[in-house]
Amino acid sequence: EPEVTQTPSHQVTQMGQEVILRCVPISNHLYFYWYRQILGQKVEFLVSFYNNEISEKSEIFDDQFSVERPDGSNFTLKIRSTKLEDSAMYFCASRPGTGASSEQYFGPGTRLTVT
Amino acid sequence: DAKTTQPNSMESNEEEPVHLPCNHSTISGTDYIHWYRQLPSQGPEYVIHGLTSNVNNRMASLAIAEDRKSSTLILHRATLRDAAVYYCILRNFGNEKLTFGTGTRLTIIP
Repeated sequence: EPEVTQTPSHQVTQMGQEVILRCVPISNHLYFYWYRQILGQKVEFLVSFYNNEISEKSEIFDDQFSVERPDGSNFTLKIRSTKLEDSAMYFCASRPGTGASSEQYFGPGTRLTVT
Repeated sequence: DAKTTQPNSMESNEEEPVHLPCNHSTISGTDYIHWYRQLPSQGPEYVIHGLTSNVNNRMASLAIAEDRKSSTLILHRATLRDAAVYYCILRNFGNEKLTFGTGTRLTIIP
């Protein structure tokens, strides 16, 4: 069964450094998402991406964040200058283009630790 | 986003059915009812969704009240692998994001 994959599984970085989290969505999917979950808290939406542009973003997704689909398979989340409060699990998700109600498929997540 | 209310936690015995309730009294006509679950240390996983009619799939059943102000996720025979946090989420047509609440933490007793 096809699945969303994410790399790395755990990333440790120092405050102020740039990080890039990588995701490979399911191959025929057209909509892509990033969510995050701070330890012990809710899963929070960050951004959705369709047709090579951001379709929706949350207040969390400020100028320090960017997303890119550099080729036909990868979907990346970049944090330009990490802060301690960016420490969280980051989940990538994708969904097929058909059906307004179609489900999102989530990856296993990348644990980002900012020290 | 319309709000959902779920119990914080529930327990069930292994191999028995589980009924997980969700109230969504402010649901709009174009809101789909989605259920996801999150197993320990994993990403959320889609379970089932519906609009008005009851739905069945290989994982679960979704019973939707006639006025759509509440729904119930039914696991027909719980296993230890079903221990997870279950989220009831309303997703409006044309709205991309899923808004997760705190969900119901389901514990399965062997």
